[in-house]
Amino acid sequence: GNSVTQMEGPVTLSEEAFLTINCTYTATGYPSLFWYVQYPGEGLQLLLKATKADDKGSNKGFEATYRKETTSFHLEKGSVQVSDSAVYFCALSPTEGSQGNLIFGKGTKLSVKP
Amino acid sequence: KAGVTQTPRYLIKTRGQQVTLSCSPISGHRSVSWYQQTPGQGLQFLFEYFSETQRNKGNFPGRFSGRQFSNSRSEMNVSTLELGDSALYLCASSLQGVTGELFFGEGSRLTVL
Repeated sequence: GNSVTQMEGPVTLSEEAFLTINCTYTATGYPSLFWYVQYPGEGLQLLLKATKADDKGSNKGFEATYRKETTSFHLEKGSVQVSDSAVYFCALSPTEGSQGNLIFGKGTKLSVKP
Repeated sequence: KAGVTQTPRYLIKTRGQQVTLSCSPISGHRSVSWYQQTPGQGLQFLFEYFSETQRNKGNFPGRFSGRQFSNSRSEMNVSTLELGDSALYLCASSLQGVTGELFFGEGSRLTVL
């Protein structure tokens, strides 16, 4: 079946450190892949997406590349800020025509210290 | 532009009761999805509605139901509440044809005692 596996958190980094959050997936066909972010006290927000192999999604300094050969979609940022502290969710869209049905990973909590 | 609005934000119920949660999508969004978020299971898809029709359903018992109205507003209902139904229930809306780009509300936090 379809599934998403994220690295366990929490992840604690100092400001300006490099961030990687690993995400791998299992899916039939060619899913679209997403990263969502949940800031404290707020709803989930789409951070970036990629719809086909080798696509790179990017937003707010975050990047992730859709790697079909390794079934991965790792999230990276070169220099994190305190304001990046949040929970990050990797997700895939498994079904053509079912745009609201996403399979989410368990989430990775990131804390950035000044 | 107003975001997705969910009401109530917090509620406490006892086992055996039922609950109705409401969701108003972003204006112009006709697709509404519901998710349950718990610490143990994470985010799990409940159902999706488009034009008043349920388009997809997750793996939840029949106690969980939903509907969508002609103005795209949606409600979900949980009957015969169990302790394990305690969770944050999230509603998300999206534009038709844009897979996976969901706009989430802040959720309704349900506590079952």
